[in-house]
Amino acid sequence: AQSVTQLDSQVPVFEEAPVELRCNYSSSVSVYLFWYVQYPNQGLQLLLKYLSGSTLVESINGFEAEFNKSQTSFHLRKPSVHISDTAEYFCAVSAGFQKLVFGTGTRLLVSP
Amino acid sequence: NAGVMQNPRHLVRRRGQEARLRCSPMKGHSHVYWYRQLPEEGLKFMVYLQKENIIDESGMPKERFSAEFPKEGPSILRIQQVVRGDSAAYFCASSPGTEDGYTFGSGTRLTVV
Repeated sequence: AQSVTQLDSQVPVFEEAPVELRCNYSSSVSVYLFWYVQYPNQGLQLLLKYLSGSTLVESINGFEAEFNKSQTSFHLRKPSVHISDTAEYFCAVSAGFQKLVFGTGTRLLVSP
Repeated sequence: NAGVMQNPRHLVRRRGQEARLRCSPMKGHSHVYWYRQLPEEGLKFMVYLQKENIIDESGMPKERFSAEFPKEGPSILRIQQVVRGDSAAYFCASSPGTEDGYTFGSGTRLTVV
């Protein structure tokens, strides 16, 4: 079985500051890792994913995440956040291309 | 190519009534998943279906909840005799079963009054 821990329920940050959202996972098998973003009253949108290959993955809007197998982590980073990045961010793992196991989410609050 | 379509977007039911939530997967996707998001919580897996088959229902409550994905038509999540604790956002996702991964719908927000 897999599990995901997002220790920070809320991360406040000022606009243009860097941010890191932490994600740690537990699994007895190899996993695929995902970050999803949820804007208020909307569904989840895939931000980025790690399946194999390079441990650093990037999204089109400036986010990146690095898979660290030894630390079982997949932290999400952005060097400079915008107001529009305010949302809930969910880390998820999957042992195959089937069900996802989600963390409890981190609310990113960007203020001017 | 429309995304995953869920309807209704909002559903209000009185305690004891039935709730039916519909999900039309993306074209070409034969795998459907239902998740529930309770207030201030992450998404919890409920059930995974392929056409006419339930593959994994390990997250489904034992009573009152059922799901189907018929050969024709959308997938249906049915909740009988709803209670206040069923109030949540229910999300459907579909995938082609490959590394292309999931696409989520916008969800159905069920409120039980």
